[in-house]
Amino acid sequence: NAGVTQTPKFRILKIGQSMTLQCTQDMNHNYMYWYRQDPGMGLKLIYYSVGAGITDKGEVPNGYNVSRSTTEDFPLRLELAAPSQTSVYFCASSTSGRRDDEQFFGPGTRLTVL
Amino acid sequence: DAKTTQPTSMDCAEGRAANLPCNHSTISGNEYVYWYRQIHSQGPQYIIHGLKNNETNEMASLIITEDRKSSTLILPHATLRDTAVYYCIVRAYNFNKFYFGSGTKLNVKP
Repeated sequence: NAGVTQTPKFRILKIGQSMTLQCTQDMNHNYMYWYRQDPGMGLKLIYYSVGAGITDKGEVPNGYNVSRSTTEDFPLRLELAAPSQTSVYFCASSTSGRRDDEQFFGPGTRLTVL
Repeated sequence: DAKTTQPTSMDCAEGRAANLPCNHSTISGNEYVYWYRQIHSQGPQYIIHGLKNNETNEMASLIITEDRKSSTLILPHATLRDTAVYYCIVRAYNFNKFYFGSGTKLNVKP
């Protein structure tokens, strides 16, 4: 299994541009998550999904959108990029959302908005 | 929601045990304690988790105090590859509030 994969690894955007961060998992996990990590800080949850067709907001959802049309894919959309969105973005998945269930993380996408 | 407090950084000699403390004084009875680590901006890696009892796996041991207000992650024989940021996380009842915090930067030195 490849686990959780993310593309691209790096991206530079200009203010106001849009882009989609891709995330795919091959573990047949129902739950998927998007986090962002600012320099020197911990991770903050942006959005999560409990299954295909179902998404919900996390701690910092403003400026982002998500969709979940399949179990495997959970893309994150930035519509109008702002410098405050410069961060490293991590996608994760888990079998369930139970408190005793671990999350598996992808390698991250490093985004810079200039 | 329970939050955690960890030291900003710690040093450990290679081959010695690394003991990383975490305070979670407001933890609820049904919340789990998780430990993850992040090596040089890679994706976080799961280490171990527990509820009440001490736990051990191939990577580490987790010691949770009887009142559950604090815990300690033990890496029994630290290597240079264990240099990373270690996050202690309390898994809230509403799983969409999974707080990572700032973690402890463990420096393993030769």
